[in-house]
Amino acid sequence: NAGVTQTPKFQVLKTGQSMTLQCAQDMNHEYMSWYRQDPGMGLRLIHYSVGAGITDQGEVPNGYNVSRSTTEDFPLRLLSAAPSQTSVYFCASSYGQGPGYGYTFGSGTRLTVV
Amino acid sequence: AQKVTQAQTEISVVEKEDVTLDCVYETRDTTYYLFWYKQPPSGELVFLIRRNSFDEQNEISGRYSWNFQKSTSSFNFTITASQVVDSAVYFCALRLRGGSEKLVFGKGTKLTVNP
Repeated sequence: NAGVTQTPKFQVLKTGQSMTLQCAQDMNHEYMSWYRQDPGMGLRLIHYSVGAGITDQGEVPNGYNVSRSTTEDFPLRLLSAAPSQTSVYFCASSYGQGPGYGYTFGSGTRLTVV
Repeated sequence: AQKVTQAQTEISVVEKEDVTLDCVYETRDTTYYLFWYKQPPSGELVFLIRRNSFDEQNEISGRYSWNFQKSTSSFNFTITASQVVDSAVYFCALRLRGGSEKLVFGKGTKLTVNP
């Protein structure tokens, strides 16, 4: 049981490049989300999905796209990387339809945009 | 609006001291859930505890204990007899019923336990 798997663990991009952060879970969780963590800011929600085919914006969605074609996968796309997107990105999933279920987090992707 | 405040940015203690991490939350909802997560230097986020708004009982798990008080909108976390391995950033988070199912995080408290 792998839980939530994020790839890559580290990435350096040049300004203007695009890339996709991968997230996969094998727990059949309906809810998946992407957070970014910046120093002194805690974690902030980028996008989330309540099921396959359904996505919505979180608190800081600009510059990012998501899609959810399967229950297992929830990739995050950076369309044109900017230095402000330098951050640690966490993917998380949650079972069930109530807020009482905690999230399981991936190990994170550390992204640097130069 | 929902908000979680962790006023202590950094705390440094000597091993075996007790330490309390404060968490104050704001919400108008009557049904909500509170969480604590630990982020050790390795970077992963580790779930510690979940508490729903209807359950004000304190909880103890080994050296960890949590004090939930709705009257003061606080959900404080105490580590008894701290150890070097407790050194980490600790996040308090709030999750509401319905809506985006998102977690609203505090900014975290960095705990350093010195030998």
